[in-house]
Amino acid sequence: EDQVTQSPEALRLQEGESSSLNCSYTVSGLRGLFWYRQDPGKGPEFLFTLYSAGEEKEKERLKATLTKKESFLHITAPKPEDSATYLCAVQVKAAGNKLTFGGGTRVLVKP
Amino acid sequence: DTAVSQTPKYLVTQMGNDKSIKCEQNLGHDTMYWYKQDSKKFLKIMFSYNNKELIINETVPNRFSPKSPDKAHLNLHINSLELGDSAVYFCASSQNPTSGTTGELFFGEGSRLTVL
Repeated sequence: EDQVTQSPEALRLQEGESSSLNCSYTVSGLRGLFWYRQDPGKGPEFLFTLYSAGEEKEKERLKATLTKKESFLHITAPKPEDSATYLCAVQVKAAGNKLTFGGGTRVLVKP
Repeated sequence: DTAVSQTPKYLVTQMGNDKSIKCEQNLGHDTMYWYKQDSKKFLKIMFSYNNKELIINETVPNRFSPKSPDKAHLNLHINSLELGDSAVYFCASSQNPTSGTTGELFFGEGSRLTVL
């Protein structure tokens, strides 16, 4: 069965304190790995797609990387507005357009 | 102009009742989904429709019945509600699988269902 595990569950950062979130996955035939951001009371918002090991994507203070077994979301010099839950999801070749999500990492950035 | 809108945002109801959640997208996407987010924040797919055709049906009790009258709408009807049905239900849409990436989902704001 496809599995996606995110760590840590929660992360408290001071503004400007860079850190990384981990998403490890066990799937057969990865088609893509996706990162989403979810604010309280809102639906997830798409951030990045990664397709192959070694690929990297950047958006403002966020950078996502992918290896054959895990993905990292690096947050550089975070600001309070980066506080959110970050969700990782995988799409498997044999499963059509279904996404399997991890449990998320809740990030709180304090000023 | 909201891309994926679902109503109602909140439902509070008694066990055994029937309820419906409606979803509409104005993005021109062919594929729509229902996801359930439980109290531990895990998002799990329930159903997926592509151009009104059911393409994913996870192991969901048959008390849950999706209906897609056209490709811009996907509704969810739940019969005989149980306590365990309490969750946030998200509607989402994405491009046609054959024309673009289908992992980029656009989600609605969710419908929080509380069963008493």
